[in-house]
Amino acid sequence: SAVISQKPSRDICQRGTSLTIQCQVDSQVTMMFWYRQQPGQSLTLIATANQGSEATYESGFVIDKFPISRPNLTFSTLTVSNMSPEDSSIYLCSVEALYDRLYGYTFGSGTRLTVV
Amino acid sequence: QKEVEQNSGPLSVPEGAIASLNCTYSDRVSQSFFWYRQYSGKSPELIMSIYSNGDKEDGRFTAQLNKASQYVSLLIRDSQPSDSATYLCAVGYGNKLVFGAGTILRVKS
Repeated sequence: SAVISQKPSRDICQRGTSLTIQCQVDSQVTMMFWYRQQPGQSLTLIATANQGSEATYESGFVIDKFPISRPNLTFSTLTVSNMSPEDSSIYLCSVEALYDRLYGYTFGSGTRLTVV
Repeated sequence: QKEVEQNSGPLSVPEGAIASLNCTYSDRVSQSFFWYRQYSGKSPELIMSIYSNGDKEDGRFTAQLNKASQYVSLLIRDSQPSDSATYLCAVGYGNKLVFGAGTILRVKS
């Protein structure tokens, strides 16, 4: 099953700054997904990252705010730009993979972002 | 707007009982359904997937799918205190997942 390493695990950032989150997978995957989980809420898909093409953003999310890179089939980054306290969330990357005999979507350990 | 609905709970069950978690979804085109368990401060962990109508059993977990009623459920038999977590229902639309808000399960010893 795919193992996802995500970093940083947490950060406290000043408003107006940017943070880049890295996601590394131990196997090649076609698509990587970035989710946000706001405090007490469920997960919302931000965008889908394909290698060699622009990321596809969901309604309510824009490239200027959440630029994504996907330089190869095992790595992606999500940048949260010009941060405000409303961006305080857990950010998770996900891939479609076999996980403990189940085929589905597995998640990295997440990045807990606090904007002050 | 694709929606996935879950009762937020908390659902409290005694140790050893069956916990029943329910989920409804709005769009009939979905073909894949998932249940995730999320402990506080942790990322979601996939525990069940189901793709066709009927029941799918895996250990103490049984997923049930009824596409006509747009309904999917998760049964946890012999519930243990370690099962206490938030259970997220997710519905797949192509390669995307839409998540419900989650049901908090508390298993009391």
